[in-house]
Amino acid sequence: EPEVTQTPSHQVTQMGQEVILRCVPISNHLYFYWYRQILGQKVEFLVSFYNNEISEKSEIFDDQFSVERPDGSNFTLKIRSTKLEDSAMYFCASSDRQGRIQETQYFGPGTRLLVL
Amino acid sequence: SQQGEEDPQALSIQEGENATMNCSYKTSINNLQWYRQNSGRGLVHLILIRSNEREKHSGRLRVTLDTSKKSSSLLITASRAADTASYFCATQYGGATNKLIFGTGTLLAVQP
Repeated sequence: EPEVTQTPSHQVTQMGQEVILRCVPISNHLYFYWYRQILGQKVEFLVSFYNNEISEKSEIFDDQFSVERPDGSNFTLKIRSTKLEDSAMYFCASSDRQGRIQETQYFGPGTRLLVL
Repeated sequence: SQQGEEDPQALSIQEGENATMNCSYKTSINNLQWYRQNSGRGLVHLILIRSNEREKHSGRLRVTLDTSKKSSSLLITASRAADTASYFCATQYGGATNKLIFGTGTLLAVQP
């Protein structure tokens, strides 16, 4: 069964450093998402991406964040200058709307980011 | 803003018993989805119920949706130790936005 994959599974970085989190969505999916979950808290929406542009972003997704689909398979989240509060599990998700309103979003296993 | 709140926050049952988790939300939705998360792992999609549906089944799972009360319940029948996980509801407005709004989750522990 196709699945969303994410790399790395864990990342430790120093405050102020740039990190890139990578995702390979399900191959025929058109919509891509990033969510995050701070330890012990809710899963929060960050950004959605369709047709090579951001379709929606949350207040969390400020200028320090960016997303990119550099080729036909990868979808990346970049944090330019990490802060301690960026420590969280980051989930990538993808979906295939194909004109339907409701769709299931399939999540990857997550990247646990720890900022020291 | 819309929020999902779930209860109970934690539930401990014996293997073979049924587990019921509830989710409430504040504004009209297009659909509601339930996800499972094993400790520190990814989110696994369980079931999606549309706003015009009242009940849906998938294996040992039964989901109900009451849009008048803005609430949903997830029933896991004949629970197994492997069902131990956190369960989250997530709502979707639909239309121009696809984002999921997650609830606070219920931590289910099934004792063997």
